[in-house]
Amino acid sequence: AQSVAQPEDQVNVAEGNPLTVKCTYSVSGNPYLFWYVQYPNRGLQFLLKYITGDNLVKGSYGFEAEFNKSQTSFHLKKPSALVSDSALYFCAASYSSASKIIFGSGTRLSIRP
Amino acid sequence: DTGVSQNPRHKITKRGQNVTFRCDPISEHNRLYWYRQTLGQGPEFLTYFQNEAQLEKSRLLSDRFSAERPKGSFSTLEIQRTEQGDSAMYLCASSFGPNRGKGQNTEAFFGQGTRLTVV
Repeated sequence: AQSVAQPEDQVNVAEGNPLTVKCTYSVSGNPYLFWYVQYPNRGLQFLLKYITGDNLVKGSYGFEAEFNKSQTSFHLKKPSALVSDSALYFCAASYSSASKIIFGSGTRLSIRP
Repeated sequence: DTGVSQNPRHKITKRGQNVTFRCDPISEHNRLYWYRQTLGQGPEFLTYFQNEAQLEKSRLLSDRFSAERPKGSFSTLEIQRTEQGDSAMYLCASSFGPNRGKGQNTEAFFGQGTRLTVV
């Protein structure tokens, strides 16, 4: 079965430090991978995606993600965290451009001043 | 505003009543998704459409749930005989389908959701 796993329910980082939010996927074929962010009482906002090509993709708000096929991972990263990055982050995947998008359970990112 | 629009934003209903939600996708998008999200959890896939065709419905979805997209534009999600366990945020999203986006623009854009409370 297709699935997306986010092994950490919460990640705590000090402002200015680098952050990583982990995601692994179990999707057949060549996956399409996405990251979304959700702020309190707001809808999900698209951050970035991997379709093909360069394994390091850059997205909104200074975030980037690295696709690793051998480890079936798509970790979200940012070199220097901001307090305003505190939110709920979701990794998502589809196994083709024609298939549904499935989501992980989410990781709450908390950046302390 | 050309984003995904959902109505109503909030719905409180008594157990056993029927409710219907509406989603207006981004106009150029031919794919439309419905998800359900409970507090602190990831969106759970319910169903999706390519134009007016319903491509898949979650096997976890009760027969009390039905969705339509009759003209390939807006969509409705109906829940019959609501139960307290149906209380959740119902999210709609839209995207280009594979034919329109050529596989490059398949990210989904979400509406603000409809929060359902069954009392």
